[in-house]
Amino acid sequence: DGGITQSPKYLFRKEGQNVTLSCEQNLNHDAMYWYRQDPGQGLRLIYYSQIVNDFQKGDIAEGYSVSREKKESFPLTVTSAQKNPTAFYLCASSKPGRKNTEAFFGQGTRLTVV
Amino acid sequence: GENVEQHPSTLSVQEGDSAVIKCTYSDSASNYFPWYKQELGKGPQLIIDIRSNVGEKKDQRIAVTLNKTAKHFSLHITETQPEDSAVYFCAAIKANAGGTSYGKLTFGQGTILTVHP
Repeated sequence: DGGITQSPKYLFRKEGQNVTLSCEQNLNHDAMYWYRQDPGQGLRLIYYSQIVNDFQKGDIAEGYSVSREKKESFPLTVTSAQKNPTAFYLCASSKPGRKNTEAFFGQGTRLTVV
Repeated sequence: GENVEQHPSTLSVQEGDSAVIKCTYSDSASNYFPWYKQELGKGPQLIIDIRSNVGEKKDQRIAVTLNKTAKHFSLHITETQPEDSAVYFCAAIKANAGGTSYGKLTFGQGTILTVHP
């Protein structure tokens, strides 16, 4: 079945550590995105990538980094520079176009700093 | 950039009643407006969407209306059921000059809908 997979579902990080969240899709989508979800604030865009080897900062990119070496994969690293990393992280993908704009989401990764 | 405001933040209805969630957007160039439903601990799922060349769209018990002049769009759920209880998000996106979009969705703050049996 085609879909978008995030792992792990739950992640715990000690302060000062970097941690990487995985996002894989087999939908043949060109575009991939990372959103952060906090209570009462909706979904905020961290980074997005329209094509392999290219990515752009979203609205809250500080303290995060990404790579897009393969079409199927868009991992997100939460660095120690992110001061408040505890949140629910959502990855999405889409095939941009006039008719195909729908974004599909993964099931999310809940990151907790301990 | 685009700004999407969503109201109300919480909505409680009795089973069988209708529920309406409203969103406004700031960028008149936005031309695609999806609605997502998010159940607890899961990622959002698209339930209905509307493009700027259409004023209304229906899919069984759900409908979306769009007023481009006023820059607002609404989600209507009729005959609500307990399984409709979830968080609902509206979003807006702008196509570039070439007609393609990047999927850079701007989301509203979300509405927690509770349907009481």
